[in-house]
Amino acid sequence: SAVISQKPSRDICQRGTSLTIQCQVDSQVTMMFWYRQQPGQSLTLIATANQGSEATYESGFVIDKFPISRPNLTFSTLTVSNMSPEDSSIYLCSVDLGETQYFGPGTRLLVL
Amino acid sequence: DQQVKQNSPSLSVQEGRISILNCDYTNSMFDYFLWYKKYPAEGPTFLISISSIKDKNEDGRFTVFLNKSAKHLSLHIVPSQPGDSAVYFCAASPARNYGQNFVFGPGTRLSVLP
Repeated sequence: SAVISQKPSRDICQRGTSLTIQCQVDSQVTMMFWYRQQPGQSLTLIATANQGSEATYESGFVIDKFPISRPNLTFSTLTVSNMSPEDSSIYLCSVDLGETQYFGPGTRLLVL
Repeated sequence: DQQVKQNSPSLSVQEGRISILNCDYTNSMFDYFLWYKKYPAEGPTFLISISSIKDKNEDGRFTVFLNKSAKHLSLHIVPSQPGDSAVYFCAASPARNYGQNFVFGPGTRLSVLP
């Protein structure tokens, strides 16, 4: 299994600002994933982050809006840029350890 | 187009009885399935998985059944306990390759009543 931590756990932000969410894993992993769970909806994959290469974004998500960094095998950041109320969501990072995916506790974001 | 569906947004069950959570999928390439449980303010935690070579997988109180021809799977919890109250997500993947991400259903909120 993996222990995954995220910072911040929650935040309230103003429209037009940006927030960077950090994800730390207690073991080295090749792939990390960023998901979003909007109120009342399922988990939606934003992007896959490989160490040493650019993130791969899913349809509907772009790098300018959700830039991702992956500086090493245990850490990643997701930035939510130029936020609007529609970005209010829970953002989760996840890692794949072969049998299944493990998730961080999530970052609850409210944009006013 | 929702590839993984959980048509019951919520379910209430009496403690000690069986909980049955259903999941349907549309993509015939899906080959590997998982169930996650999620408490409020926490990330999803893995419960149980099944691959298409099996039709049943059991782990303690949790059993997952897969009907590939019907593109349907279900999670049975027996006996249900109040601590099982959570949102349950079904997730599917085309193949169990390393790094293969999953498509999630919308979740079913289970309430187990004492």
